[in-house]
Amino acid sequence: EAQVTQNPRYLITVTGKKLTVTCSQNMNHEYMSWYRQDPGLGLRQIYYSMNVEVTDKGDVPEGYKVSRKEKRNFPLILESPSPNQTSLYFCASSLLGNGADTQYFGPGTRLTVL
Amino acid sequence: GQQLNQSPQSMFIQEGEDVSMNCTSSSIFNTWLWYKQDPGEGPVLLIALYKAGELTSNGRLTAQFGITRKDSFLNISASIPSDVGIYFCAGQPLTNYGGSQGNLIFGKGTKLSVKP
Repeated sequence: EAQVTQNPRYLITVTGKKLTVTCSQNMNHEYMSWYRQDPGLGLRQIYYSMNVEVTDKGDVPEGYKVSRKEKRNFPLILESPSPNQTSLYFCASSLLGNGADTQYFGPGTRLTVL
Repeated sequence: GQQLNQSPQSMFIQEGEDVSMNCTSSSIFNTWLWYKQDPGEGPVLLIALYKAGELTSNGRLTAQFGITRKDSFLNISASIPSDVGIYFCAGQPLTNYGGSQGNLIFGKGTKLSVKP
């Protein structure tokens, strides 16, 4: 089944403790992206990647890192999480390298930073 | 940064009524997309628009890419209870050389409630 998977789905952590949220897609998509969703703010793009080893900042990249060493995986790294990074995070992927086609979203990761 | 203004923020309608929502931007967008998000799920693409003036339908949904490339609307005809959810517009800004940027900007969403 074609899908985007994220792990973990739920995470409660403490300020400053490094964490990684994994994202994987099995559709051989070139474009992958991370978003955060907050009440009243909609979805905001954190980082995106048009292909392996190519990553770019979205609207809200501060406090996050990403890597794209393989086509299928696009992990989101929080080196030193802070409470303002408490949010619902979505990973997405699309076939083309410019994201203009259908983006498939993962199920979301709800992160709480205490 | 670039922003999309989506309205209305929320709508409460009776089953069978038509619905209209729109998005506007101060800058030109190359692509307009409309997504729906059900509770506890990720957004799902409903309609994608790639050309100014384009009008596209998907069942009871119709969306248009504005001629100025700065706006788009989504209409839902004869609403049913399963239309409940949050609808997002999204767009890809134009680059200086006329292509699409890689980033995607989302509106803040329209929450739709349908009374049976």
